[in-house]
Amino acid sequence: DAKTTQPTSMDCAEGRAANLPCNHSTISGNEYVYWYRQIHSQGPQYIIHGLKNNETNEMASLIITEDRKSSTLILPHATLRDTAVYYCIVQGGSEKLVFGKGTKLTVNP
Amino acid sequence: GAVVSQHPSRVICKSGTSVKIECRSLDFQATTMFWYRQFPKKSLMLMATSNEGSKATYEQGVEKDKFLINHASLTLSTLTVTSAHPEDSSFYICSGTGPGVITDTQYFGPGTRLTVL
Repeated sequence: DAKTTQPTSMDCAEGRAANLPCNHSTISGNEYVYWYRQIHSQGPQYIIHGLKNNETNEMASLIITEDRKSSTLILPHATLRDTAVYYCIVQGGSEKLVFGKGTKLTVNP
Repeated sequence: GAVVSQHPSRVICKSGTSVKIECRSLDFQATTMFWYRQFPKKSLMLMATSNEGSKATYEQGVEKDKFLINHASLTLSTLTVTSAHPEDSSFYICSGTGPGVITDTQYFGPGTRLTVL
């Protein structure tokens, strides 16, 4: 079973920031928080991951709470192409990825 | 980011035939590759994990004699669905990880849609 809880769906206006929450209250000390997204009928795409510090790359920012029990993925300026299912996954080292149901993000014009 | 390709992108076959799907890592050495399948409106389910040169490890409930996995090189893994039946129709996705990419991060192929008639 997935170790994370995410809202089923979210909407966001084009050009605005999309903030996707994820709860992972049972995360262990050596487990990372990974975010992937899957655009319809494509393979998942890696977005970002982190252990305890906030992370930023060219795609997104990841904010992890101090107790590591939750995190938020931020897409700073959402575009229509960001419409996808976003998966938050907790993974320790070389453990297998367990995909939950994710959050279906719809970016509206 | 690291690139993984799959071939074919979609395949239609008759019941009882075998189908081979290729997964290639184009710009990194995939010491470990994974095979997933995804049914409509469902999430990805891991089928098996393979390390280059070793036998694949299958997840519970996945028939190893039906889904043959070969990972003979650091850039190629194949999944053969033997004696395919309509219930095997699904979206099959591979991923790889290895040296030269972000540690323990999986990079996914675009998927192969299999339809068994």
